[in-house]
Amino acid sequence: ILNVEQSPQSLHVQEGDSTNFTCSFPSSNFYALHWYRWETAKSPEALFVMTLNGDEKKKGRISATLNTKEGYSYLYIKGSQPEDSATYLCALMYSGGGADGLTFGKGTHLIIQP
Amino acid sequence: KAGVTQTPRYLIKTRGQQVTLSCSPISGHRSVSWYQQTPGQGLQFLFEYFSETQRNKGNFPGRFSGRQFSNSRSEMNVSTLELGDSALYLCASSWGGSAYEQYFGPGTRLTVT
Repeated sequence: ILNVEQSPQSLHVQEGDSTNFTCSFPSSNFYALHWYRWETAKSPEALFVMTLNGDEKKKGRISATLNTKEGYSYLYIKGSQPEDSATYLCALMYSGGGADGLTFGKGTHLIIQP
Repeated sequence: KAGVTQTPRYLIKTRGQQVTLSCSPISGHRSVSWYQQTPGQGLQFLFEYFSETQRNKGNFPGRFSGRQFSNSRSEMNVSTLELGDSALYLCASSWGGSAYEQYFGPGTRLTVT
């Protein structure tokens, strides 16, 4: 059973501040890492899919980095806004056919305080 | 482009009954995956279908089954429902499978009494 750890479990951030959180995973047989944003009463929305060690991706104020050798990814949010309040999930796919599909972490619940 | 749709959105069933959930993917997507979300376990992978074939399967009992039709629409069936099957069931479609961005539907909230 693959163990995908996300920390912190929850986070309160003041509007305008920047923040980041972590996804840790076993590095062997890594194939791809996904980040999703899940707002209350909505469906999870894809942010990034990353496959290469050293990958950095950016979408607006949100960016992510990937270190497959040490088994972690960081998600950064610059200048947090109330609409960034959501649960952020990372999910891993491993080589070997992806027999288990995507394995999700339990998420970081982000609350932006005005 | 229409998004992923799931029907029904809410369902209440009794222990021992069976249930069928439906998922219509984004047009052109050939992969449909199903996930179960519970407060304690988070999102857990059930199975993935690609071009009508089950390609991957998660660690769930045989009571959970699925299928995919030639138009890529997918159904998930749970037989002999247990209280622990109460959950939000999400389906996600993608162009090529788990290595690609997943587009999630709104989910079906199943309550087993």
